[in-house]
Amino acid sequence: SYELTQPPSVSVSPGQTARITCSGDALPKQYAYWYQQKPGQAPVLVIYKDSERPSGIPERFSGSSSGTTVTLTISGVQAEDEADYYCQSADSSGTVVFGGGTKLTVL
Amino acid sequence: QLQLQESGPGLVKPSETLSLTCTVSGGSISSSSYYWGWIRQPPGKGLEWIGSIYYSGSTYYNPSLKSRVTISVDTSKNQFSLKLSSVTAADTAVYYCARLVPGVAATGWFDPWGQGTLVTVSS
Repeated sequence: SYELTQPPSVSVSPGQTARITCSGDALPKQYAYWYQQKPGQAPVLVIYKDSERPSGIPERFSGSSSGTTVTLTISGVQAEDEADYYCQSADSSGTVVFGGGTKLTVL
Repeated sequence: QLQLQESGPGLVKPSETLSLTCTVSGGSISSSSYYWGWIRQPPGKGLEWIGSIYYSGSTYYNPSLKSRVTISVDTSKNQFSLKLSSVTAADTAVYYCARLVPGVAATGWFDPWGQGTLVTVSS
């Protein structure tokens, strides 16, 4: 079955830039989406269609795509950005797939 | 503002059927612009897509769960529902409903999500 691969954890200091990657063979042909999930809360969409930012999401969140890897970038990380981040896409048959998640720690 | 709320039993016995309902408020489930989906998250683990439905009743299921899943829609009540049969402890999870904004066909992004409901499978 199709998989999206994310690093289990990323750590950054406040004010630095965090980059979280997501790799999958179908990503050149399928959009990727990113969600932020804080403990005890439902996921919140932070990026859609690889690089579009929903209204209400801070400008420090951005997305990019290159080949089989998409990247969520958080510039000027703040303590409130500490959370789990999940990428999501679909395989060639239309099955929705989530990455395993990345825990962002703000040191 | 669109809101979704999951409801149903928090405890289900092994081998029985898990049944949940998602009530949509602040918008119509019959909108031709959206699909509606179920996603689950076992305690301490990642997200897993269960399936999605269009207001017309067209359904799309995760192949790994397809033999046990049924998703239905009731447009008169602005609700959609999930049934998962023959449950085991591995089906213990927080179950979320969400609106699916289609990108290509029935795939796309989930926004917004319900708050989630924990379902425990135990005798």
